[in-house]
Amino acid sequence: ILNVEQSPQSLHVQEGDSTNFTCSFPSSNFYALHWYRWETAKSPEALFVMTLNGDEKKKGRISATLNTKEGYSYLYIKGSQPEDSATYLCASLTGGGNKLTFGTGTQLKVEL
Amino acid sequence: DTGVSQDPRHKITKRGQNVTFRCDPISEHNRLYWYRQTLGQGPEFLTYFQNEAQLEKSRLLSDRFSAERPKGSFSTLEIQRTEQGDSAMYLCASSLGQGGGYTFGSGTRLTVV
Repeated sequence: ILNVEQSPQSLHVQEGDSTNFTCSFPSSNFYALHWYRWETAKSPEALFVMTLNGDEKKKGRISATLNTKEGYSYLYIKGSQPEDSATYLCASLTGGGNKLTFGTGTQLKVEL
Repeated sequence: DTGVSQDPRHKITKRGQNVTFRCDPISEHNRLYWYRQTLGQGPEFLTYFQNEAQLEKSRLLSDRFSAERPKGSFSTLEIQRTEQGDSAMYLCASSLGQGGGYTFGSGTRLTVV
């Protein structure tokens, strides 16, 4: 893996569904993995900053896991709500810990 | 502190004109970053400052682009002789050191016509 890659590109789910997204990143020169939520017309909002292999973080209905050896992270949303509709971006911190390299994001739409 | 502020929110300019954007970071944050996002892409790194020192610039930042952060407070990003390819969302973010998440502004949407 040379770049940060996210899948799927977009996702439509029904309210109450649980969902997950994948982020793949270069495992060499790893400093940290960031997850952001970006709602339309708003600022990207930091969800998680993860550094340790095997790390798992949780914020309400959203959680994330990290595997630095194989270079992937999963973001899970339990019981999706319409307000979860946003683009979810992951980014790998590289360049001596000074530069975030973003994936292209997963666009989530939660329908009633 | 109300977060990271960017001004203007939108800018439409004619090709060849110069434009300047401003970013006011969170006052306690010593690091300030500029990113650019084009349609269908994630944000791409342009440059970052630690206090007033500009420590890294991307190859994306041609010599038409210049960024400053006088006195380590607000920052400006100037684009000279704009081209249609400069049309993008320009995002500013700040952080306290390397370890935490970034706080982003709402961005400046530039359209070059």
